[in-house]
Amino acid sequence: DTGVSQDPRHKITKRGQNVTFRCDPISEHNRLYWYRQTLGQGPEFLTYFQNEAQLEKSRLLSDRFSAERPKGSFSTLEIQRTEQGDSAMYLCASSLTLLNVAGTDTQYFGPGTRLTVL
Amino acid sequence: DAKTTQPTSMDCAEGRAANLPCNHSTISGNEYVYWYRQIHSQGPQYIIHGLKNNETNEMASLIITEDRKSSTLILPHATLRDTAVYYCIVRVRGHTNAGKSTFGDGTTLTVKP
Repeated sequence: DTGVSQDPRHKITKRGQNVTFRCDPISEHNRLYWYRQTLGQGPEFLTYFQNEAQLEKSRLLSDRFSAERPKGSFSTLEIQRTEQGDSAMYLCASSLTLLNVAGTDTQYFGPGTRLTVL
Repeated sequence: DAKTTQPTSMDCAEGRAANLPCNHSTISGNEYVYWYRQIHSQGPQYIIHGLKNNETNEMASLIITEDRKSSTLILPHATLRDTAVYYCIVRVRGHTNAGKSTFGDGTTLTVKP
């Protein structure tokens, strides 16, 4: 089956560089979520989209972070001027969310992109 | 979303049932209980969810107390491949403004031969 895919799986960059990650959700899933996970912690919510619309952003999403989902399918997460504190696993999830329809809205996660900032 | 409390770690013998508890005493009436697990360096894997009735699928069973303040995930015959961090979360489903999942630190389950 085709699950959520993320690219790249690993990224090593130098402090101050910009990086961009891509997430391809499960086909026809209307919601897409980004989370960040540091070592030993559970995932932390960053932002989510319903189709093209970005509906919620966490306070964790500083001005250096931007996420887009231009056509309501894949999404990109860009980090500008990376800092060592940005080193983490960036997780993407998607769901088919139909209001008041049972059996929908479960979030399925991708494998993540591990970012290391030197 | 309500906060959950889980033990930091648990051990289980291979072939035995693993029972993972979760407390969610502040759960709201429209919040579901979800369980995920995460094997080292992989993304979280969905296991099961429920509202108030007990649920079972091919991976596990979920037992929710009548007052909904706690739940137990049961892996009936644990194998070494079930060694992972297990997360219990509660969230509203399908609501217009409900999106994020709030994860705690989970329970590290170690299945031993």
